[in-house]
Amino acid sequence: DQQVKQNSPSLSVQEGRISILNCDYTNSMFDYFLWYKKYPAEGPTFLISISSIKDKNEDGRFTVFLNKSAKHLSLHIVPSQPGDSAVYFCAARRIGSARQLTFGSGTQLTVLP
Amino acid sequence: KAGVTQTPRYLIKTRGQQVTLSCSPISGHRSVSWYQQTPGQGLQFLFEYFSETQRNKGNFPGRFSGRQFSNSRSEMNVSTLELGDSALYLCASGEGQGDTEAFFGQGTRLTVV
Repeated sequence: DQQVKQNSPSLSVQEGRISILNCDYTNSMFDYFLWYKKYPAEGPTFLISISSIKDKNEDGRFTVFLNKSAKHLSLHIVPSQPGDSAVYFCAARRIGSARQLTFGSGTQLTVLP
Repeated sequence: KAGVTQTPRYLIKTRGQQVTLSCSPISGHRSVSWYQQTPGQGLQFLFEYFSETQRNKGNFPGRFSGRQFSNSRSEMNVSTLELGDSALYLCASGEGQGDTEAFFGQGTRLTVV
């Protein structure tokens, strides 16, 4: 039972363009969402997060959008850079469950120079 | 500030043996959570400790256990190893009790033969 789904295993984008990574969830009890980036042989690196009471959060080139009614969130990276090439994981926390995160399966982003 | 340190980085064990993995969180962080990453199941939550107390436990058999010491360092133990326990084990640290951001170490790659 996959409660957090990233349906696109891979995405290729030209340098300088926008990258949009998508994530869907099924559990209405999730109240906090996070995005992580992972390079091979390294642990995930925290990128940006959003609480369920918001619909948008920005941090530099990264913006996360949350659509609660659709149970959908997306990460926008503008402009995309070759160094952004990595696997991106969406994660969600259930209300009251501290740091017990449920992760999606990841999307491999490749930014082409 | 030093990041999350996991030791050892790589480990090879034989079926039936037991293993202990170690995690030192970021200085000042009191929460440590553990995750297992496999190609088939993705990133799955094992357990979280805060101030030496286990706060949450994922859906893993009792062969997986952990503990946290007064200096916030944590250990994870797996007994009676099975081939399916081969995975990347990731530790993440967090600062307080209420926030959610978790900062990951590089992981320990366990191979069971």
